[in-house]
Amino acid sequence: SQQGEEDPQALSIQEGENATMNCSYKTSINNLQWYRQNSGRGLVHLILIRSNEREKHSGRLRVTLDTSKKSSSLLITASRAADTASYFCATKLSSGNTPLVFGKGTRLSVIA
Amino acid sequence: DVKVTQSSRYLVKRTGEKVFLECVQDMDHENMFWYRQDPGLGLRLIYFSYDVKMKEKGDIPEGYSVSREKKERFSLILESASTNQTSMYLCASSQHGGGSEQYFGPGTRLTVT
Repeated sequence: SQQGEEDPQALSIQEGENATMNCSYKTSINNLQWYRQNSGRGLVHLILIRSNEREKHSGRLRVTLDTSKKSSSLLITASRAADTASYFCATKLSSGNTPLVFGKGTRLSVIA
Repeated sequence: DVKVTQSSRYLVKRTGEKVFLECVQDMDHENMFWYRQDPGLGLRLIYFSYDVKMKEKGDIPEGYSVSREKKERFSLILESASTNQTSMYLCASSQHGGGSEQYFGPGTRLTVT
């Protein structure tokens, strides 16, 4: 079963609106990361939040982590057409030197 | 800037052919990874390597093998390509440990006919 699951699978908003995507996971983590993928390209790392952190900001991105609920959210404020992409969460399990586990992604469409 | 390059953006091969997908990173990263990405299935880990000449199976290693003779290069090999291996293949590297930030190549879209 998938460690990280994004919700919703797809999201369509108007330019200037905020976009919120969620990620839930099943087992204890060391860190959680968000990546963006433009159509047909590789993934680009956006932000990493550690298990002892609750919130992190990077430009128009805000990530929160609630370890008690095993969930994270990615907020993109004042969205632009260029934010149109798929967004993936990836989790690092707290035990062992295991690789990241990626979710299936949220497809965000920002309409100009 | 870290750069991860993949040998081809698009590749078309015939069933039964041996296929090599090459990945090179230029930042002296310890770790390298191969994923395949299919619609609705997200990224699935095929193989990874934490050191030269070291390799570990990921979630879907069947039908694939890998080679890491030099630190900067990680090759994915399809011994006998099949149509169900038609997919987008993504290579990534990271500096330390399994959970650090990964840097991805642009991907190779492989079609097996």
